[in-house]
Amino acid sequence: DGGITQSPKYLFRKEGQNVTLSCEQNLNHDAMYWYRQDPGQGLRLIYYSQIVNDFQKGDIAEGYSVSREKKESFPLTVTSAQKNPTAFYLCASSTPGQGLKAFFGQGTRLTVV
Amino acid sequence: KNEVEQSPQNLTAQEGEFITINCSYSVGISALHWLQQHPGGGIVSLFMLSSGKKKHGRLIATINIQEKHSSLHITASHPRDSAVYICAVISNFGNEKLTFGTGTRLTIIP
Repeated sequence: DGGITQSPKYLFRKEGQNVTLSCEQNLNHDAMYWYRQDPGQGLRLIYYSQIVNDFQKGDIAEGYSVSREKKESFPLTVTSAQKNPTAFYLCASSTPGQGLKAFFGQGTRLTVV
Repeated sequence: KNEVEQSPQNLTAQEGEFITINCSYSVGISALHWLQQHPGGGIVSLFMLSSGKKKHGRLIATINIQEKHSSLHITASHPRDSAVYICAVISNFGNEKLTFGTGTRLTIIP
């Protein structure tokens, strides 16, 4: 079955370390997105990519980096520059021209200690 | 003011009650999603709407484009419906990014 896979589901890291969250989709979607969710707040856009080898900053990109070397993969690196990295991270993908249907991964809960 | 506003923020109801969750938005959109997030965090897309009404089982979603408003209804609510329900819109500005509401936490008591 097609879908989006995020891994791992839970991730613990020490303060000051970079950490990379994985997002893979086999839906042949062009666009992929990374969102962050904090308690009591809506999901906020970190980065998005509409095509391979191209990506744009979202509303809260500071302290994060991404790459889009392959259509099916859009990893997110949480760098040591991100002041409050502990959060729930959600990856999504969509395909323009087909009703803009979006699909979501199961999320990664990152805890920095 | 958020571009997407949901109400209520929290809702507790008895099993069997009819549930309504509202979503208002202030931007032009090409589509609106209703999403369900369970305590584990994973998000499931329930509906995508660009006009009218959709029904799936006990769930009904409606949208009024002129009034920039959508509602999610749950008939014969059940404790397993307890979750956070999130409204998200896709803007028609060309970048197709989703903007999310803050969610409505629904608790159904047996």
